[in-house]
Amino acid sequence: KQEVTQIPAALSVPEGENLVLNCSFTDSAIYNLQWFRQDPGKGLTSLLLIQSSQREQTSGRLNASLDKSSGRSTLYIAASQPGDSATYLCAVRSTDKLIFGTGTRLQVFP
Amino acid sequence: NAGVTQTPKFRVLKTGQSMTLLCAQDMNHEYMYWYRQDPGMGLRLIHYSVGEGTTAKGEVPDGYNVSRLKKQNFLLGLESAAPSQTSVYFCASSTALANEQFFGPGTRLTVL
Repeated sequence: KQEVTQIPAALSVPEGENLVLNCSFTDSAIYNLQWFRQDPGKGLTSLLLIQSSQREQTSGRLNASLDKSSGRSTLYIAASQPGDSATYLCAVRSTDKLIFGTGTRLQVFP
Repeated sequence: NAGVTQTPKFRVLKTGQSMTLLCAQDMNHEYMYWYRQDPGMGLRLIHYSVGEGTTAKGEVPDGYNVSRLKKQNFLLGLESAAPSQTSVYFCASSTALANEQFFGPGTRLTVL
């Protein structure tokens, strides 16, 4: 059974820092991995989607990497800003289902 | 485009009552999904649909029913609500199973 883990559960950093969020999964037979952002009381916003054949995807200050063999993905946020404060979720597609991690709650303070 | 919308945004039910949550998408997506989000457990798939007139069970389907009579709408029903169904419910849609999912804003349901 696929399990997705995100560590740390919470992270607090000063503005301007580059930071890395981690996501690990137990079964390397995946179709793709998706990173989401969730603001308090809101829905999920898709940030990046990495297909199983890809190694990384970039969007602005965000870069996500995927290492299927080791069951890991990282989300790199460059030059963090207070507006980046949110919960970041990763989700792995195995067969017909998207399996979610429990998220990393990020706070960026001025 | 409105994207994915959900109705209602909030609802309080008493144990045993029934209700229907409505999800609508205007992106012409084939696939639609219902998830629930509980503290410390992440999002879990309740039911999903791969096209109009089709539905399938997800990870936690018990106590819920769904219908997809029109391509743009996906309904989630609770026939007899239980306190364990207190949660935030999210609807999502995608063009295909392997493609990016787009989420609605959620419905916060409390069952007393």
